[in-house]
Amino acid sequence: AQKITQTQPGMFVQEKEAVTLDCTYDTSDPSYGLFWYKQPSSGEMIFLIYQGSYDQQNATEGRYSLNFQKARKSANLVISASQLGDSAMYFCAMAPGAGSYQLTFGKGTKLSVIP
Amino acid sequence: DGGITQSPKYLFRKEGQNVTLSCEQNLNHDAMYWYRQDPGQGLRLIYYSQIVNDFQKGDIAEGYSVSREKKESFPLTVTSAQKNPTAFYLCASSIDSSSSYEQYFGPGTRLTVT
Repeated sequence: AQKITQTQPGMFVQEKEAVTLDCTYDTSDPSYGLFWYKQPSSGEMIFLIYQGSYDQQNATEGRYSLNFQKARKSANLVISASQLGDSAMYFCAMAPGAGSYQLTFGKGTKLSVIP
Repeated sequence: DGGITQSPKYLFRKEGQNVTLSCEQNLNHDAMYWYRQDPGQGLRLIYYSQIVNDFQKGDIAEGYSVSREKKESFPLTVTSAQKNPTAFYLCASSIDSSSSYEQYFGPGTRLTVT
């Protein structure tokens, strides 16, 4: 069974500062994928970034980067230069093997960006 | 524009009634999914479908049913057997379930049953 743990129910960050959202995972699968999604107050889920378990380098997408530490089973999301529009819920998720049809989500972290 | 549509955005029903939530996609994706989200929680998979006329149960399929008669449509029926149906329901799709990791989500339907 897979499990995703997000230990920060809420986080505050000053505008233009960087913030790290924590995610740890547990799986016995040798191959897996890790994802981060953003959920604004409107409700839709927006894909941010993906990291494969065999990827050697940390994934980056614009202001988003994933700090992947395989031995520690952590996949933290780093948002650089926070903007007011970054205020939202952030979910870490994991998929087993090569397929994405069984995403397991964490409970999320609510990020609030302060002007 | 390509995307996923879910209708309606808000839905109210009386207890004991079945209700069907719509999900349509024009992305030509093979795989489609239904998730449920409760307050303060992450998403949980209800059903998924990898191809037309085939679908599989997810983690919390009891009290729900689906059909996949067309590639672009994956309606979810919340039956009266579902003990606690009030929740936010999200539909998603991906190119396929074996090689594409990114799931695209619709705007969601908030169902309230009283």
